[in-house]
Amino acid sequence: AIRITQSPSSLSASTGDRVTITCRASQGISSYLAWYQQKPGKAPNLLIYAASTLQSGVPSRFSGSGSGTDFTLTISRLQSEDFATYYCQQYYSYPWTFGQGTKVEIK
Amino acid sequence: QVQLVQSGSELQKPGASVKLSCKAYGYTFTSYVMNWVRQAPGQGLEWMGWINTNTGNPTYAQGFTGRFVFSLDTSVSTAYLQISSLKAEDSAVYYCARDYCTGGSCPFDYWGQGTLVTVSS
Repeated sequence: AIRITQSPSSLSASTGDRVTITCRASQGISSYLAWYQQKPGKAPNLLIYAASTLQSGVPSRFSGSGSGTDFTLTISRLQSEDFATYYCQQYYSYPWTFGQGTKVEIK
Repeated sequence: QVQLVQSGSELQKPGASVKLSCKAYGYTFTSYVMNWVRQAPGQGLEWMGWINTNTGNPTYAQGFTGRFVFSLDTSVSTAYLQISSLKAEDSAVYYCARDYCTGGSCPFDYWGQGTLVTVSS
C-alpha cells in the first residue's frame, strides 16, 4: 500500500496567517491526490482534487500543488472557519490511503 | 440536491452483528461507486473499500475482509455495511462516501453524516 506522510500533525496559527500543509507519498502518484477538511463531529469535505483543482464552492484562499510524491495545501489567509483537521488522500492505487491529518488550531 | 443519509448510532455487545445503511438522494444511485470509510475515536480516516452500485461487486481493503460485508438495495438507493462478530476495536464512526466521478480513480465528493458504532459489554 502507498503510505502518505502528512506534516505537521498539528499547527497553531492566527487569523490572516498563511498556512502550508504537506503530504509525501511513498511512491509516485502522479496528481491523484485530494485534500479534505473535517470539523469536529462532521464528515470530511472535499476541498481539492487532482492535486490542484478546487472543488466547486471552496473558497479561493485554498490552493493545492505538487505531483509525483510531494504535495502541498496552502491556505493563503486563514479565516476563523478554517480551524479544522485536514487530510490528504491518494487515489492512484488501491487501497486508497489517507495522511494522518493536520489539526489547525487557533494560536 | 445530493445527500447521503446514514442510519443512527448503534450500541452493540461484543460478538453481535450490526447493519448500517446509507440512503442516497438527488442522483442516479447506480451511476457512482460507494465507498466506506472508518474513523476510530480521535483517529484518522481509513478506507474500508467500495461497492460497484451497478453490479453489486464489492472490493475490500486489507483488514476489512471476512467480518465486513458491503451490499445494496438499488430499489431504494441504499448501500449497507454489515459487521459481524463485533469487537471493541470496531468502535468507530463509519462513513459512506460517493465517488466524485463515474469511472476510474476518483476522490469522494459527498459523504454521509456518519454512524457511530459503540461495542461494549
